[in-house]
Amino acid sequence: DQQVKQNSPSLSVQEGRISILNCDYTNSMFDYFLWYKKYPAEGPTFLISISSIKDKNEDGRFTVFLNKSAKHLSLHIVPSQPGDSAVYFCAAPNFGNEKLTFGTGTRLTIIP
Amino acid sequence: DTGVSQDPRHKITKRGQNVTFRCDPISEHNRLYWYRQTLGQGPEFLTYFQNEAQLEKSRLLSDRFSAERPKGSFSTLEIQRTEQGDSAMYLCASSLRYNEQFFGPGTRLTVL
Repeated sequence: DQQVKQNSPSLSVQEGRISILNCDYTNSMFDYFLWYKKYPAEGPTFLISISSIKDKNEDGRFTVFLNKSAKHLSLHIVPSQPGDSAVYFCAAPNFGNEKLTFGTGTRLTIIP
Repeated sequence: DTGVSQDPRHKITKRGQNVTFRCDPISEHNRLYWYRQTLGQGPEFLTYFQNEAQLEKSRLLSDRFSAERPKGSFSTLEIQRTEQGDSAMYLCASSLRYNEQFFGPGTRLTVL
């Protein structure tokens, strides 16, 4: 059972435009969400997070939106830069335990 | 450098051999996690330590896998009698709080 889903395996965006990466979840007990960025041959790097008590969290060029009723979150990157090209994972910690459940990732390519 | 470190970065072994990986967490972090990532998937939880106590193990962690964290500092993950299906990236993460995990660069295992 894939509790965290990223249905777009890849996304290409022109440099300077907005990148929007989507994530859906099925477990209504999730109350905190994280986005990680991963370059090839490196571990995931924490990017931004959001608690379920908020519907938006912003950090520089990165904004995460949470729609609890739709069980959907999205990561907006604006303006997109070539260094943003990476695989992005959304993740959620399971309620009552320590493990993170990850989506399958979206490969973002920024076109110069 | 105060990040999570893993050694070795790459390991090639023959089927049936034993391998051991090491993870050094961020020094003040009491929580340490192991994940496995295969191609096209997000990281999957394997096991978790709080200080030296192993508190949770995934069903993915068969009896050929063992993890230790002596003295609550570094951790080792051993795989006995490796199989080709064990080929993956093995990621270690550490945290102070359960919902902010910081990952190391990973150990890529190839079983021939």
